[in-house]
Amino acid sequence: AQSVSQHNHHVILSEAASLELGCNYSYGGTVNLFWYVQYPGQHLQLLLKYFSGDPLVKGIKGFEAEFIKSKFSFNLRKPSVQWSDTAEYFCAVNADANQAGTALIFGKGTTLSVSS
Amino acid sequence: ETGVTQSPTHLIKTRGQQVTLRCSSQSGHNTVSWYQQALGQGPQFIFQYYREEENGRGNFPPRFSGLQFPNYSSELNVNALELDDSALYLCASSSTSGRRYEQFFGPGTRLTVL
Repeated sequence: AQSVSQHNHHVILSEAASLELGCNYSYGGTVNLFWYVQYPGQHLQLLLKYFSGDPLVKGIKGFEAEFIKSKFSFNLRKPSVQWSDTAEYFCAVNADANQAGTALIFGKGTTLSVSS
Repeated sequence: ETGVTQSPTHLIKTRGQQVTLRCSSQSGHNTVSWYQQALGQGPQFIFQYYREEENGRGNFPPRFSGLQFPNYSSELNVNALELDDSALYLCASSSTSGRRYEQFFGPGTRLTVL
């Protein structure tokens, strides 16, 4: 069965610090990869996605992620975080062989707290 | 463009009762997926509906059932509620054309089972 592992449960940073959130998945075939963000009191929003091509993908609000196939990883990065980045971040995977077609498998999430 | 909407926002039920949650998909989307998000966890896939039929199911018992209507809206029904069913229930819509793997989420329904 597919699974997604997010290494950091809670990350605390000061404004302007750099961010890297780890995500590893278990599936040997073709995958589509996503990072979703959930701001306090808001619904899940798509931050960025990888389907194919350039393994370095850029998303909204200055976030980027790198797909490393050999490491089954899709880590999220941001060079300089802001207080408004405080949120819950979820990595998600969809595998083409998934019986449910477009069903997403999510990690447990990482809470990011940014102090000003 | 209207986003995904869900109703009700909050719901309190007691053990053994039945509940129906509703979802309207984003305009132009024909596929609806339902997820359960327990406190402190990531969303877990319940099932997906396409063309009014179940198109895949996660590891949830049969007392979780659903419907999709011709206008692509959907319902999630849970029978014989248990305490562990307390969670945020998320609906996501997507399209089978174009970016079929992009799912757009609604705000969720917070279900509390007492």
